[in-house]
Amino acid sequence: AQKITQTQPGMFVQEKEAVTLDCTYDTSDPSYGLFWYKQPSSGEMIFLIYQGSYDQQNATEGRYSLNFQKARKSANLVISASQLGDSAMYFCAMREGPAWAYGQNFVFGPGTRLSVLP
Amino acid sequence: DGGITQSPKYLFRKEGQNVTLSCEQNLNHDAMYWYRQDPGQGLRLIYYSQIVNDFQKGDIAEGYSVSREKKESFPLTVTSAQKNPTAFYLCASSIEGQSRAVNTEAFFGQGTRLTVV
Repeated sequence: AQKITQTQPGMFVQEKEAVTLDCTYDTSDPSYGLFWYKQPSSGEMIFLIYQGSYDQQNATEGRYSLNFQKARKSANLVISASQLGDSAMYFCAMREGPAWAYGQNFVFGPGTRLSVLP
Repeated sequence: DGGITQSPKYLFRKEGQNVTLSCEQNLNHDAMYWYRQDPGQGLRLIYYSQIVNDFQKGDIAEGYSVSREKKESFPLTVTSAQKNPTAFYLCASSIEGQSRAVNTEAFFGQGTRLTVV
C-alpha cells in the first residue's frame, strides 16, 4: 500500500498567487516526520520544510507553510506568492518509527509537477 | 563547503557491464542512502546504511551492490544483473547518531544519470 499519496500529477498557478500541493500519508506509528522537497529540472533535491507528528503548530519557512491535519493524515504544502522559479517537481516524504528502531528511511510520494505561469 | 558529491554526472554503460557510482559526503553524517528515480516518478530506495560497515537492502536492491568502508563514502555498483538500469540515481545522507530522530532531513547530491547503450 502507498504510504505517501500525492493526487495531483500536475498543477498550474499564476505568478504571485498561492498554491496548495496535496499530500496524504499512512502510518500507525505515533512518531513520524513529514518533509517536502523541491526538485528543479536540474535534478537536485532541495529540502523545503519539516513537520513533526507531535508539533502543535503548522510549520512555516518563508513563503512555504505546511497545512498539517493529523486526524486526516494530510500534510499539504502551501506556497504563497508564487514565483517563476517555483516551477519544479515537489515531493512529500515521511520518516516514521520509534527512536529505538533501526532503519528509519525516507519514503517518498510520486510527486506533483508545479508550473508557474507568467 | 559541506555537502554531498556524486560522480560522474552522466554515465553510459554497455550491456553486461558493471558500473560504480560514487557518493562522498563531508557532513559527518552517519546515515547514507541510494535512491533510483525513473522519468516522472518518485524516488525508490535501493540501499541504505546507518553506520560504517553495515548496510541494508531497500525496496529495489536486486541487481545492485554497495559498500560502506568509510563514513564519508557509499559507492553503488550497478551490476549486469540489473536488467533495466537506465535511470537517475540520487545519493543522500542524514545525521543520525544514537538518537535516530525522525526530524532530521536528508541532504541530496546532484545525481548521476545512467544510460545503457
